[in-house]
Amino acid sequence: GNSVTQMEGPVTLSEEAFLTINCTYTATGYPSLFWYVQYPGEGLQLLLKATKADDKGSNKGFEATYRKETTSFHLEKGSVQVSDSAVYFCALILNNNAGNMLTFGGGTRLMVKP
Amino acid sequence: GAGVSQSPSNKVTEKGKDVELRCDPISGHTALYWYRQSLGQGLEFLIYFQGNSAPDKSGLPSDRFSAERTGGSVSTLTIQRTQQEDSAVYLCASSLNRVYEQYFGPGTRLTVT
Repeated sequence: GNSVTQMEGPVTLSEEAFLTINCTYTATGYPSLFWYVQYPGEGLQLLLKATKADDKGSNKGFEATYRKETTSFHLEKGSVQVSDSAVYFCALILNNNAGNMLTFGGGTRLMVKP
Repeated sequence: GAGVSQSPSNKVTEKGKDVELRCDPISGHTALYWYRQSLGQGLEFLIYFQGNSAPDKSGLPSDRFSAERTGGSVSTLTIQRTQQEDSAVYLCASSLNRVYEQYFGPGTRLTVT
């Protein structure tokens, strides 16, 4: 079946540090890949996406590149801020006739200290 | 415009009681999804609607769970004879149709005592 594995947290960084959150996937076929973010007390928000191999999704200084050869979609940011503290979820969608349900990883909590 | 809304935001119920959770999708979105977020299981897909029909109910964990959607808009997730393991945050999402991005509501936190 389809699955998403991401690094366990919490990840604790100082402000302006470099961030990497690893995400790998297993899928039958070619999925679209997503990063969602959940800020404290808020709902899930789409952060970025990539729909085919070698695509790079980017938003708010975050980037992730769809790597088919390594089945990965690692999230990176060059300089994190305290306001980036949140839980980050990697997810995939496999297009099929039934519908586009998201398959999520377990989530990684990021804590950024001033 | 208005996003996905869910009600109630919090629900505490006694084991064995039935509960109804409501989702109002973004206007014009034909696809609607229910997910569950719990400590032990992470984020799990429950059911998907396209219009009023549910072509995929594969994620419903037991026959105590059911959902319906009327008028291609509001959806209700019903859990009968609630159990403690049903305690979770129930999330609803909608999209323009099944190939577009999903927008999530704030969730309903269900606690079964």
